[in-house]
Amino acid sequence: QVQLVQSGAEVKKPGASVKVACKVSGYTLTELSIQWVRQTPEKGLEWMGGFDFHDKKTVFAQKFRGRVTMTEDTSADTAYMEMSSLSSEDAAVYYCVTVRADSGNYKNVGNGYFDNWGQGTLVTVSS
Amino acid sequence: EIVMTQSPATVSVSAGEKVILSCRASQPVSGNLAWYQQKPGQAPRLLFYAASTRAAGVPDRFSSSGSGTEFTLTISSLQSEDFAVYYCQQYNNWPPLTFGGGTKVGIK
Repeated sequence: QVQLVQSGAEVKKPGASVKVACKVSGYTLTELSIQWVRQTPEKGLEWMGGFDFHDKKTVFAQKFRGRVTMTEDTSADTAYMEMSSLSSEDAAVYYCVTVRADSGNYKNVGNGYFDNWGQGTLVTVSS
Repeated sequence: EIVMTQSPATVSVSAGEKVILSCRASQPVSGNLAWYQQKPGQAPRLLFYAASTRAAGVPDRFSSSGSGTEFTLTISSLQSEDFAVYYCQQYNNWPPLTFGGGTKVGIK
């Protein structure tokens, strides 16, 4: 059983950066594919990005390119999402998710469905 | 980018009634569609993947169908715990993976 536990809520000023952690248990990080989704009342659920195992690079939704970094510390089974140059529009709940293929495979999955979600991390952006 | 459109945005239903939710894709997504349920203060929960495959633990009063551009989620007899927001998501084409705007199922 996969569990994803995220770091706590953050309050940031406009222009600052935020880094959200996602600790995996039940599996090792190397056995999974982790991506990030955010949610706002205005835009709903937005996929942010994830690793494309075919092209061996992280891919992002256009609005997040150049401003978001996704990394992993496999020794700690923890994934991270860092966003820079925050604005009020980035105030949201950020989720890490495991991505699964229809075959049931967790590993090396890019485009799949999200079968486990972290509890969410609320990021508030306020001066 | 594939745009997912859900309808209606809101529906009010009495417990015990049947409800049918719709999800439409701007381009064909084959059967690469998932449905999620979200209750207030909680993360979304996977209900279905591959358009019609029920996730573990999902009651059989929930069913899902469709292919191509038209998909439906049906709750045959609404229970109190089913009042929530439901989202569809396509994973046929990426990036990006895209969600619908959601349908809120409320109490009549």
